[in-house]
Amino acid sequence: DTAVSQTPKYLVTQMGNDKSIKCEQNLGHDTMYWYKQDSKKFLKIMFSYNNKELIINETVPNRFSPKSPDKAHLNLHINSLELGDSAVYFCASSQEWTGNNSPLHFGNGTRLTVT
Amino acid sequence: GNSVTQMEGPVTLSEEAFLTINCTYTATGYPSLFWYVQYPGEGLQLLLKATKADDKGSNKGFEATYRKETTSFHLEKGSVQVSDSAVYFCALSEGGFKTIFGAGTRLFVKA
Repeated sequence: DTAVSQTPKYLVTQMGNDKSIKCEQNLGHDTMYWYKQDSKKFLKIMFSYNNKELIINETVPNRFSPKSPDKAHLNLHINSLELGDSAVYFCASSQEWTGNNSPLHFGNGTRLTVT
Repeated sequence: GNSVTQMEGPVTLSEEAFLTINCTYTATGYPSLFWYVQYPGEGLQLLLKATKADDKGSNKGFEATYRKETTSFHLEKGSVQVSDSAVYFCALSEGGFKTIFGAGTRLFVKA
């Protein structure tokens, strides 16, 4: 009955590789997000999608490409991985529309380690 | 732009002690304010929220009051338990499909 699920939980890869993280929510929400959490626990938004449309791209390098095939899924593909990409990536969803400030529901995160 | 500042941790308390984690914010409009909690190896969970000035959010013994005059949303709990050990995040949202988080405060509660 997991509300927001993301896979894989752990991802270890070498510099230069391409990898994907998948996210699915069964809450019926219209909005999905990717957040990056660094080693100091600082959490920063990367992307937000509403009804499959990109709403926010927070100056993320072009190597990161989100894709939302439908409202329940938001995947993140990363090309040419760099050491600095090592972090925990969180998917989240909310029933957000303009002005309602709905709270976020988070997945359990994907810990990406680039060696 | 909008921002959230919360007290640096870690905060270490004995069981049954009183907890305060300070949070102040900067916003151009009238944001909603949130506290989230993150347990080890998990994602963030909503702890409580307040949507307008003077609102008090509460959950599981935690409380926070939206103070517009001091732009603050401090988290309090009267008697902490070992199970409250986690990282706590203050956050704000002004709509626009974006929630901004503070840096997080790690809480350790000793038995």
